[in-house]
Amino acid sequence: AQKVTQAQTEISVVEKEDVTLDCVYETRDTTYYLFWYKQPPSGELVFLIRRNSFDEQNEISGRYSWNFQKSTSSFNFTITASQVVDSAVYFCALSEAGYNFNKFYFGSGTKLNVKP
Amino acid sequence: DAGVTQSPTHLIKTRGQHVTLRCSPISGHKSVSWYQQVLGQGPQFIFQYYEKEERGRGNFPDRFSARQFPNYSSELNVNALLLGDSALYLCASSSGGLPNQPQHFGDGTRLSIL
Repeated sequence: AQKVTQAQTEISVVEKEDVTLDCVYETRDTTYYLFWYKQPPSGELVFLIRRNSFDEQNEISGRYSWNFQKSTSSFNFTITASQVVDSAVYFCALSEAGYNFNKFYFGSGTKLNVKP
Repeated sequence: DAGVTQSPTHLIKTRGQHVTLRCSPISGHKSVSWYQQVLGQGPQFIFQYYEKEERGRGNFPDRFSARQFPNYSSELNVNALLLGDSALYLCASSSGGLPNQPQHFGDGTRLSIL
């Protein structure tokens, strides 16, 4: 079964629009970690945020905000006032504390196109 | 400070050949992981090494192997290449290789099998 599901394959918005990227995860571990990464065309995955399973506080960083809801197993990512530079593929990832190593399960990614 | 560096950037091989990909982690990071990313999909975990020992292995055949050197750099080897091995191979490093630590990725090696 898919551990991380990103149902939105591709989203297109016009600059300055707000956009939310969805992420739904599945795990039996009570302690786990969720991450968001950005992958521009160059290929490098850029770390954006980590959230612990025991910390449901939402977080805002500039134009970026994250909504973590354990009740729905979701960790959604919102970009406010999108810009062309936000165009990239965004990945949500899950890491489980049951492993003693860094095994990330990635979703299939959401490609965001921001048009001027 | 230099990030994770990978070489080569691109590689073209034919079926049946062998390939070695190289990775240097961020200075001070002792853990290196390898991921395979097929076009249009998310990265898939292959291996993690910490202090030169294999910590974890994903669901990949024995044709895939890796090692980590005393300076924490790493090599990924793939034998008997198949067309399906065509992908972007990403290396990631973290300080201790624990589940709660963000991994920092290199630009990847794009491998094409003809």
